[in-house]
Amino acid sequence: EVQLLESGGGLVQPGGSLRLSCAASGFTFSTYAMGWVRQAPGKGLEWVSVITGKGGTTYYIDSVRGRFTISRDNSKNRLSLQMNSLRVEDTAIYYCVKDEGAGSGYEDCWGQGTLVTVSS
Amino acid sequence: DIQMTQSPSSVSASVGDRVTITCRASQDITSWLAWYQQKPGKAPKLLIYSASTLQSGVPSRFSGSGSGTDFTLTISSLQPEDLGTYYCQQANIFPYTFGQGTQLEI
Repeated sequence: EVQLLESGGGLVQPGGSLRLSCAASGFTFSTYAMGWVRQAPGKGLEWVSVITGKGGTTYYIDSVRGRFTISRDNSKNRLSLQMNSLRVEDTAIYYCVKDEGAGSGYEDCWGQGTLVTVSS
Repeated sequence: DIQMTQSPSSVSASVGDRVTITCRASQDITSWLAWYQQKPGKAPKLLIYSASTLQSGVPSRFSGSGSGTDFTLTISSLQPEDLGTYYCQQANIFPYTFGQGTQLEI
């Protein structure tokens, strides 16, 4: 069974940092692109970042580029998101997602989400 | 960025009804479109990809159609467990963008 388990969320002050992790199991991790999608409280879904299977290519939305870094450790089946210079508007549930292929953009598995709250 | 616009924003229907949700892209995305269902308090679930391909395990009462800029999600006979919010998402080019969502009430 494919499973994604996020960790690392919490309360942080504006300007602070947080590192999210996602432990993957049940599939050949290095074969699939992975990403992060967030959802602000009571709002819709927003793509944050994606990384290809071997980690050679990454994409970010404009609002996080230069502050967030996505990475993966294929030897440990782990996806990470380093978030620096956090802003109040980064407050959201962050979902780890698995692409259905090498980078189709279709996410066929989602974690349960981890809540990031940026507040003073 | 490609803008995705869904309509209606909310819909109330009865069990057994046929429900249709539409999604319009701000530019041609050919068939690079997915539909997701999100139940309250849960993560989204992929229903349909490539505009009309049913994801494995999804009931056949769900169907998708369209290409270019205009797309449709249809539930042929609404069931109580179908309540939730439905999102379209374009996968033509990053940043992949979602519609604002359609809240379905039974």
